[in-house]
Amino acid sequence: KQEVTQIPAALSVPEGENLVLNCSFTDSAIYNLQWFRQDPGKGLTSLLLIQSSQREQTSGRLNASLDKSSGRSTLYIAASQPGDSATYLCAVSFSNDYKLSFGAGTTVTVRA
Amino acid sequence: DTAVSQTPKYLVTQMGNDKSIKCEQNLGHDTMYWYKQDSKKFLKIMFSYNNKELIINETVPNRFSPKSPDKAHLNLHINSLELGDSAVYFCASSQSVLGGYTFGSGTRLTVV
Repeated sequence: KQEVTQIPAALSVPEGENLVLNCSFTDSAIYNLQWFRQDPGKGLTSLLLIQSSQREQTSGRLNASLDKSSGRSTLYIAASQPGDSATYLCAVSFSNDYKLSFGAGTTVTVRA
Repeated sequence: DTAVSQTPKYLVTQMGNDKSIKCEQNLGHDTMYWYKQDSKKFLKIMFSYNNKELIINETVPNRFSPKSPDKAHLNLHINSLELGDSAVYFCASSQSVLGGYTFGSGTRLTVV
């Protein structure tokens, strides 16, 4: 069974600290991996999309890495701000599938 | 312009009623999806349509019936609503399995 796991489930850091969010998946045969942000009661906002041939993607303070062989991706958020407080979801498109499989998310709180 | 739009945003209804949720995307994507986010915030695929053809039906009760009149629209009809159907339903679209997914803002369904 293809699964996506996110650890930790929750994270609280003081403002200015760098955030490291982890995602692991059980099958290295993937099309791509996508990181989303979800604010309470809101929809999903796409942050970064990494194709299987790529090792990382960057957008502003966000950097996501992908290691297919070990089945891992890490989302780094530099110099965190209170506005970064949200749930971050990792989702994988496995090669023999036609859907996104989601992790349970990491809920981040950045303290001012 | 909203890329993936869902209506209604909120839906409160009594047990046993029939209701529909509509979804439209203006991205020109070929594939559309319905996801369910339960009370524990976990996102799970329900259906996927590619060019109006059903390609994923993920063990969803027969009371749920998707309909795709064209590739820009995917509606979800639910018969004989039950308390356990209360959740947030998200519509999404993608150009292909290689493309990133874009999600709508969700429909919060409450069955009383």
